[in-house]
Amino acid sequence: KNQVEQSPQSLIILEGKNCTLQCNYTVSPFSNLRWYKQDTGRGPVSLTIMTFSENTKSNGRYTATLDADTKQSSLHITASQLSDSASYICVVSERGYQKVTFGIGTKLQVIP
Amino acid sequence: DSGVTQTPKHLITATGQRVTLRCSPRSGDLSVYWYQQSLDQGLQFLIQYYNGEERAKGNILERFSAQQFPDLHSELNLSSLELGDSALYFCASSVDPTGIAKNIQYFGAGTRLSVL
Repeated sequence: KNQVEQSPQSLIILEGKNCTLQCNYTVSPFSNLRWYKQDTGRGPVSLTIMTFSENTKSNGRYTATLDADTKQSSLHITASQLSDSASYICVVSERGYQKVTFGIGTKLQVIP
Repeated sequence: DSGVTQTPKHLITATGQRVTLRCSPRSGDLSVYWYQQSLDQGLQFLIQYYNGEERAKGNILERFSAQQFPDLHSELNLSSLELGDSALYFCASSVDPTGIAKNIQYFGAGTRLSVL
């Protein structure tokens, strides 16, 4: 069964600090991996999308990495801001079958 | 603002009842997707429509059904509601017609359904 596991489940960091969120998956065959940011009570917003051949992708202070061999991805947030407080969801798509598996998310809280 | 509109924002109903959730996609988007997000659970893909036709099906219960109309808006019908159906229901849309695996989806703000 395809799975996407995210860690940690929750994280509290001080404003201005960096943090890294992890995503491990077993989805095969792999098509692409996306990171979404979901503010409480709002719909998810796409941050990055990476295919098999891409190792890293940035979107402002967000940088996602992908190791397709070990089936691991990380999302690094630099110089965190209070507005970064949200859930971050890793989503992995299966090639050719239009199947998408969502991780349960990492809940990040940035405090002053 | 993603451009995807969902109504209503909140819905409170009783077990056994039937409700309809509505979604208007972004202008120009032909694909609409429905997701369920229960409390402290991940998003579960329910179903996708493209230009009026069902395109992909996920973990959608038989009590649930959806359709996409000629003007591209979509409705999700939930019937014989149970307490466990209480959740946030999201609609998303995309322009890419190739399916849910290859394109960026823009999500609406969701409909919060409470079944009492």
